[in-house]
Amino acid sequence: AQSVTQLDSHVSVSEGTPVLLRCNYSSSYSPSLFWYVQHPNKGLQLLLKYTSAATLVKGINGFEAEFKKSETSFHLTKPSAHMSDAAEYFCVVSDQTYKYIFGTGTRLKVLA
Amino acid sequence: DAGVIQSPRHEVTEMGQEVTLRCKPISGHDYLFWYRQTMMRGLELLIYFNNNVPIDDSGMPEDRFSAKMPNASFSTLKIQPSEPRDSAVYFCASSLAWTGGGYGYTFGSGTRLTVV
Repeated sequence: AQSVTQLDSHVSVSEGTPVLLRCNYSSSYSPSLFWYVQHPNKGLQLLLKYTSAATLVKGINGFEAEFKKSETSFHLTKPSAHMSDAAEYFCVVSDQTYKYIFGTGTRLKVLA
Repeated sequence: DAGVIQSPRHEVTEMGQEVTLRCKPISGHDYLFWYRQTMMRGLELLIYFNNNVPIDDSGMPEDRFSAKMPNASFSTLKIQPSEPRDSAVYFCASSLAWTGGGYGYTFGSGTRLTVV
């Protein structure tokens, strides 16, 4: 069975400082992993995806994530937070059946 | 492409009424998914289709919920009769066939349903 755990429900950072959103996964198969972002009252937008190619994945808006099989982690990072990054972020694992398993989300707050 | 299009954006209805949510997937995508998002339960997969055929409806909460996909460009999610606990944001998403690359889903903007 697959599962995904987002380790922090809320993260606050100051503008211009690094962002780290943590995600651990469990999968019986070689998983595909995704990060989605949801701004208030909006739909979900794909930030980046890992699908067994390079372990360091670059996404939109300066975000990147590193797949670490030994740690079963797929943490999302950004070197410098911007006010517009304030949103909810979802880590997602998928196996061979197309079904996504969503994490519970991490709400990122960016302080001026 | 205009992306995944959902209508209406907002729906307020009285308990007991029938509600129909609509979705137009991205042209050429052959998977379509319906999700429900609430504060208490997060994002839940209700049902998904492949080539217009329902593959897994195990997430549909009750017989009051039904979904159809009569053709590749249109799907509906119907709730009859609606109840206040059905209040949520309903998302539709579509995806290309799996080629080992994992394209990811494209989500619509959602329908915010309020049942009073």
